[in-house]
Amino acid sequence: QVQLLQSGAEVKKPGASVKVSCKGSGYSFPGYFIHWVRQAPGQGLEWMGWINPNSGGTYYAQRFQGRVTMTRDTSINTAYMELSSLTSDDTAVYYCAREFRGDYFDYWGQGTLVTVSS
Amino acid sequence: SSELTQDPAVSVALGQTVRITCQGDSLRSYYASWYQQKPGQAPVFVMYGKNNRPSGIPDRFSGSSSGNTASLTITGAQAEDEAEYYCKSRDSSNYRVFGPGTKVTVL
Repeated sequence: QVQLLQSGAEVKKPGASVKVSCKGSGYSFPGYFIHWVRQAPGQGLEWMGWINPNSGGTYYAQRFQGRVTMTRDTSINTAYMELSSLTSDDTAVYYCAREFRGDYFDYWGQGTLVTVSS
Repeated sequence: SSELTQDPAVSVALGQTVRITCQGDSLRSYYASWYQQKPGQAPVFVMYGKNNRPSGIPDRFSGSSSGNTASLTITGAQAEDEAEYYCKSRDSSNYRVFGPGTKVTVL
């Protein structure tokens, strides 16, 4: 069965960076884009960008450009999302999601809570 | 980039029908997908486009689309359908966008 397993919760200080991982299993990892979505406490879903695991190509939402880097390691079927220059506004649950044919996110990771606090 | 709008909240009596709508210019070109999220849980994909439902999602969930509006209908709402519902679309080949979410309360 398809699964996306994310890394554990993180606590970071303002100005630091965080790197969250998302390991895919049960399917051909290079064949599906991985998207990253975050959700601040009590707020809605916010799309951050995607990575094509096959080519390594990426696209980031404008508000994260310059601060986010998405990478992958196809040898271990894992995608990564690194966010730098963290502020308290980046406190959120970060999700990875698999996209089917550019149409919908059919599988989601369990989420990773990132807390930014001094 | 396009935006999507949703009603913040709707309520429905147990066993009745509720329709959740999502509006945006991108919906004239691309179908919406819908996600159910319960507190403390990851979103779950429940519908795509004109009534394409993933396996495991009850058939009381249906979808439709016309012009700049997509809809998710729950016919015979159950207590377990109480959740936040988000629509999602795309704007060109690269950009994705979520609606702000609709909280569905089952009375």
